[in-house]
Amino acid sequence: EIVLTQSPGTLSLSPGDRATLSCRASQSVSSSYLAWYQQNPGQAPRLLIYGASSRATGIPDRFSGSGSGTDFTLTISRLEPEDFAVYYCQQYGSSPNTFGQGTKVEIK
Amino acid sequence: EVQLLESGGGLVQPGGSLRLSCAASGFTFSSYAMSWVRQAPGKGLEWVSIITMSGGSTYYADSVKGRFTISRDNSKNTLYLQMNSLRAEDTAVYYCAARSGYSYGYFFYWGQGTLVTVSS
Repeated sequence: EIVLTQSPGTLSLSPGDRATLSCRASQSVSSSYLAWYQQNPGQAPRLLIYGASSRATGIPDRFSGSGSGTDFTLTISRLEPEDFAVYYCQQYGSSPNTFGQGTKVEIK
Repeated sequence: EVQLLESGGGLVQPGGSLRLSCAASGFTFSSYAMSWVRQAPGKGLEWVSIITMSGGSTYYADSVKGRFTISRDNSKNTLYLQMNSLRAEDTAVYYCAARSGYSYGYFFYWGQGTLVTVSS
C-alpha cells in the first residue's frame, strides 16, 4: 500500500498569501494518478485537481497542481477567505487507493 | 444538479448491523463506478469499498472485508452498504462518491455523508 505523507500539518497564512502544500508518496505514483480535495468543516470533500495537474470543473485557476513520481504539490496562488480549509491528496494508481492525512490551511 | 443523498446512519451497538443507502440524481448513475469513503471523527479520509458500473465486481479495504457488502440498483439509482459485525472503530461519517474509473479513479461527486456511531 502506498503511504502518502502531507506537509506541513498546518499552514498559517493570511488572505492574499501564496500557499504551497506538499504530498510525498512512499512509492512512485503511476501515471501521475494523484488528486487533491478540499474539505470545509462539516462538509464533504470537493475534488480540486486530478492527474496531478488538471483542474476539476469549476475550480478557480488560483489552484494548481504539479509533480510526478513521489513528490506532488498543490499551490494556491492567492488565498481567498473560502480557501481556509483542510486539503487531502489521494493516489489512485495503485490498489488500494490511499489518502494523505491532510493539511489544514488556517487564517494567521 | 448532481445530488448524492446518503441515509441509514445512526447509533448501533458493537456487533450490530446497519444498511446505508445513497440515492443519486442529476447524472447517469449507471455509467460510473461508485464507492464508499469514511471519515472517523476528527480524522482523515479512508476508502472503504468500490463497485463497478454493472455491480458485477466489488472490492473492499482490508479493514472491512468480510463484514461489509457494497451493492447497487441501477433501476433505482441507488448505492448500498450493508455493514455487519460493527466495531467501535467503524464509527465515522460515511460518504458515497462517484469515481472516474473502477481500477483507477478519483472521486468527482460526493454526498454529504451519514454518521454511523458504534457504541454500547
